[in-house]
Amino acid sequence: QKEVEQNSGPLSVPEGAIASLNCTYSDRGSQSFFWYRQYSGKSPELIMFIYSNGDKEDGRFTAQLNKASQYVSLLIRDSQPSDSATYLCAVPSGNTPLVFGKGTRLSVIA
Amino acid sequence: SAVISQKPSRDICQRGTSLTIQCQVDSQVTMMFWYRQQPGQSLTLIATANQGSEATYESGFVIDKFPISRPNLTFSTLTVSNMSPEDSSIYLCSVGRSGRIHEQYFGPGTRLTVT
Repeated sequence: QKEVEQNSGPLSVPEGAIASLNCTYSDRGSQSFFWYRQYSGKSPELIMFIYSNGDKEDGRFTAQLNKASQYVSLLIRDSQPSDSATYLCAVPSGNTPLVFGKGTRLSVIA
Repeated sequence: SAVISQKPSRDICQRGTSLTIQCQVDSQVTMMFWYRQQPGQSLTLIATANQGSEATYESGFVIDKFPISRPNLTFSTLTVSNMSPEDSSIYLCSVGRSGRIHEQYFGPGTRLTVT
């Protein structure tokens, strides 16, 4: 089973700071990478995806990919209390459409 | 994105019984998936529900325990059979479109407790 690894957290950041969430994956053949956000008691929602090395920005969110290091990260600028959630990294692997990491719980402190 | 509903939203069931969970989408979608999320854990794919044919199960999941139906492009069911307390979990369906199956949209989930 290919693996997707994340620090479980919790990661606590003050309001307005940058939150940095990291993910490593074991399948060198993976070509696309996804970030899902899951609020407590809710289902996951897709917030970002990235296919190419480098950075991809969408509003306050930036996804960063380094395929050589098998590393993908999510930066959240100007963090808000409403960003407090669990962030799940997901990677296609073999015939499995998505393999999810265990998620990093983010807490933004007002 | 699609609007996805699941029924029931939660249930408490006795050991040895079975529960069928329904997933309804408001538009035709190519791919439908069933996941399990155990307490404090991440999502694990159970199977891909294929329209008009048998579901494709992931390693560790079998049809006898988790039979799946998908009679059309907007509806699927997952049955959890002969339940034990270890089956207590949240079960989620998700959908994806052809060529973009990794960009999945999830239903609200069914919280199952087995006593």
